[in-house]
Amino acid sequence: AQSVTQPDIHITVSEGASLELRCNYSYGATPYLFWYVQSPGQGLQLLLKYFSGDTLVQGIKGFEAEFKRSQSSFNLRKPSVHWSDAAEYFCAVGGHTGTASKLTFGTGTRLQVTL
Amino acid sequence: DAGVIQSPRHEVTEMGQEVTLRCKPISGHDYLFWYRQTMMRGLELLIYFNNNVPIDDSGMPEDRFSAKMPNASFSTLKIQPSEPRDSAVYFCASSPGSSGNTIYFGEGSWLTVV
Repeated sequence: AQSVTQPDIHITVSEGASLELRCNYSYGATPYLFWYVQSPGQGLQLLLKYFSGDTLVQGIKGFEAEFKRSQSSFNLRKPSVHWSDAAEYFCAVGGHTGTASKLTFGTGTRLQVTL
Repeated sequence: DAGVIQSPRHEVTEMGQEVTLRCKPISGHDYLFWYRQTMMRGLELLIYFNNNVPIDDSGMPEDRFSAKMPNASFSTLKIQPSEPRDSAVYFCASSPGSSGNTIYFGEGSWLTVV
């Protein structure tokens, strides 16, 4: 069964500082990996996704993530955080088979940004 | 283009009442998903449809929950009778295809059962 672990429930960073949110997955084959962001009272917005190819993927809002197969990780990074990045971030995994449209989400990491 | 549209955005109902949540997916998307989000359990997939046909409903918690998709532009999630533990945010989402295509979420229906 596929699963996602986001070990950090809550992270606080200062505006302008760098950010890394951790994500580890479990999947029997090459996964599809996603990062979504959820602002309070809103739905989930896709930040970026990895399907294949280059293991460093760029997303919206200056975010990037790196797929590391050997570590089963897909950590999200941003070099300089803005106050508007405060939100909850979800990592998700899907697969390549016919039923792979169903994503499994991690429990989320809540990001707080201090000024 | 309009995104996934859900209604109502907020609902407060009494225990035992029937609740119907509605969803209009993005036009042209073949897949529709219903997720539930709670503090305790996070985001859970309840059911998903492909071309209006339910494919996997293994996440539906009980027989009190039912979902339908009578056509490509409309789906409902019904809870009858509702219970306080059903209080959650229910998200509808749609996707243009299988195997990793981006899933687009609506803004959710915030349900409180008192």
